[in-house]
Amino acid sequence: AQTVTQSQPEMSVQEAETVTLSCTYDTSESNYYLFWYKQPPSRQMILVIRQEAYKQQNATENRFSVNFQKAAKSFSLKISDSQLGDTAMYFCAFMKPYNTDKLIFGTGTRLQVFP
Amino acid sequence: DTAVSQTPKYLVTQMGNDKSIKCEQNLGHDTMYWYKQDSKKFLKIMFSYNNKELIINETVPNRFSPKSPDKAHLNLHINSLELGDSAVYFCASSQDGQGHNEQFFGPGTRLTVL
Repeated sequence: AQTVTQSQPEMSVQEAETVTLSCTYDTSESNYYLFWYKQPPSRQMILVIRQEAYKQQNATENRFSVNFQKAAKSFSLKISDSQLGDTAMYFCAFMKPYNTDKLIFGTGTRLQVFP
Repeated sequence: DTAVSQTPKYLVTQMGNDKSIKCEQNLGHDTMYWYKQDSKKFLKIMFSYNNKELIINETVPNRFSPKSPDKAHLNLHINSLELGDSAVYFCASSQDGQGHNEQFFGPGTRLTVL
């Protein structure tokens, strides 16, 4: 069974600085998808970024980028130029395609951005 | 326009009662899901439906019964509510249940069982 581990329950960063959230996963699959979701205090789940395992290039979405290390089964999220609105819970998630499409989530990292 | 909506957003009820949470998506998606987020913020899949057909049932107690009258709706009925059912329940949908399509989440329903 696949598992997702986020070893940092809480992180903090100053506005405009860069922060990296860690995620590791365990799977025997070679093809899969990885995601980072953001959950602000409003509770809404928002997709931040997605990585397809067969793509070597790391995904990037504006200030958000990932460091995907397939051999190490590591999928970290880097947030550059942190903003107060980035304060939220961040969840790493795994999906094995063509197999019911369920997301398997990590336990989350609470990120606080300070002014 | 709201893509995935849930009603109610908050639900407070007594142990032993039966309650329902409704979910509707206006995205034309084929697949819908229910996730449960517990008090420690852990999110876990409960059910998945594709075109009104049950695809996933993740060892959820049979007091929980999803119902999909059409592919735009997936409701969650809970019988004989227990204290441990207190959680936030999220509905989500995706185009065709494949990983390359984003899952869109509803705003969540916070259920409190007293």
